[in-house]
Amino acid sequence: NAGVTQTPKFQVLKTGQSMTLQCAQDMNHNSMYWYRQDPGMGLRLIYYSASEGTTDKGEVPNGYNVSRLNKREFSLRLESAAPSQTSVYFCASGRASGGASDTQYFGPGTRLTVL
Amino acid sequence: AQTVTQSQPEMSVQEAETVTLSCTYDTSENNYYLFWYKQPPSRQMILVIRQEAYKQQNATENRFSVNFQKAAKSFSLKISDSQLGDTAMYFCAFMKHRAGNNRKLIWGLGTSLAVNP
Repeated sequence: NAGVTQTPKFQVLKTGQSMTLQCAQDMNHNSMYWYRQDPGMGLRLIYYSASEGTTDKGEVPNGYNVSRLNKREFSLRLESAAPSQTSVYFCASGRASGGASDTQYFGPGTRLTVL
Repeated sequence: AQTVTQSQPEMSVQEAETVTLSCTYDTSENNYYLFWYKQPPSRQMILVIRQEAYKQQNATENRFSVNFQKAAKSFSLKISDSQLGDTAMYFCAFMKHRAGNNRKLIWGLGTSLAVNP
């Protein structure tokens, strides 16, 4: 049971390049989340998926897109990377579905630098 | 809007001693969850403990316990018998009980804890 896994662990991009961050969970969780963590600002929600087939914007969705590929996988795409997107990105999953809230479990994070 | 405040940016404790990390929050909700997460230098975000607001009993997990004061909107974390491996950033977080489509954790800015040998 690997929990939540993320790839890659590190990535350096040039401004304007695109990339996809991958996330998978093997806990049969319904909900999945993408956060970014910046110094002095805590964690901020980018997008989330309450259940397979649905996605919703969080606090800071601009510049990102997501895909809930299936119940296990939730990817985050940067179409045209900008230096302001330099951050550490965390994927998380939770058991709850629909409107319920539940504990979120986190992946190891991806450190992204945009030059 | 909900807010979470951690008033201690940095703390230190000697190995084997007890330390308490503070967290206060502001909400008009009656039912909600509170969490403490730990982020060691490896950057992994690890759940330490969870408290449901409708439960009066304080949550405990081995050496970790909370003091949940609902009326005061306070949720402190006590670490007993501190170990070197407890050195980490600790985050307090809040979530509504039934958050509907606006599900997110509201995070404090963290307390950096150093356990000294």
